[in-house]
Amino acid sequence: QSVLTQPPSVSEAPRQRVTISCSGSSSNIGNNAVNWYQQLPGKAPKLLIYYDDLLPSGVSDRFSGSKSGTSASLAISGLQSEDEADYYCAAWDDRLNVVVFGGGTKLTVL
Amino acid sequence: QLQLQESGPGLVKPSETLSLTCTVSGGSISSSSYYWGWIRQPPGKGLEWIGSIYYSGSTYYNPSLKSRVTISVDTSKNQFSLKLSSVTAADTAVYYCASLEYSSSCLDYWGQGTLVTVSS
Repeated sequence: QSVLTQPPSVSEAPRQRVTISCSGSSSNIGNNAVNWYQQLPGKAPKLLIYYDDLLPSGVSDRFSGSKSGTSASLAISGLQSEDEADYYCAAWDDRLNVVVFGGGTKLTVL
Repeated sequence: QLQLQESGPGLVKPSETLSLTCTVSGGSISSSSYYWGWIRQPPGKGLEWIGSIYYSGSTYYNPSLKSRVTISVDTSKNQFSLKLSSVTAADTAVYYCASLEYSSSCLDYWGQGTLVTVSS
């Protein structure tokens, strides 16, 4: 059971937009930055979004992040087959003093 | 740009201690901007935070693993290490090291990961 809650899977057609939700609590998302990671099959996770809504250098602007209260979302627009991956949200948890992850969401591009 | 590389045995016997080292290049492990972390991922499952260390030696451990985990740092070698004792098959996983940016707690650079199998 992960501290942050994500849907196990989402799917959408190419060129469409999809959102992935991430729900937490006041000790993590509600008080700290949310970060998102993309994990392509067989690869290490890669930082996708940091500080709730900022893109690291080199990340496509088709990716965007948002946060409200104790929930956050990742949106991917103009879906491409190369976006098929597992996506994880994460945040520092002030009560546990650890980074907590969501369980991951598998994105399928139909 | 930071680069991280895990190293260590890929096979550990049950009840023994798993030991891994992460070598950091492209920057100093003594940077005030970073903690250094270990994360693991059992086959087919999600990511689990193990713990982190600052160059000064200050550590944070996952409470669920705290009794078995030790993370240490060697600034002279630009390395940090993980020891996990009394391993069982449940500790079989890909182990990643990563840089944990201090202010945002984002893991901005990752090693490629190393699979550690616990089996006799």
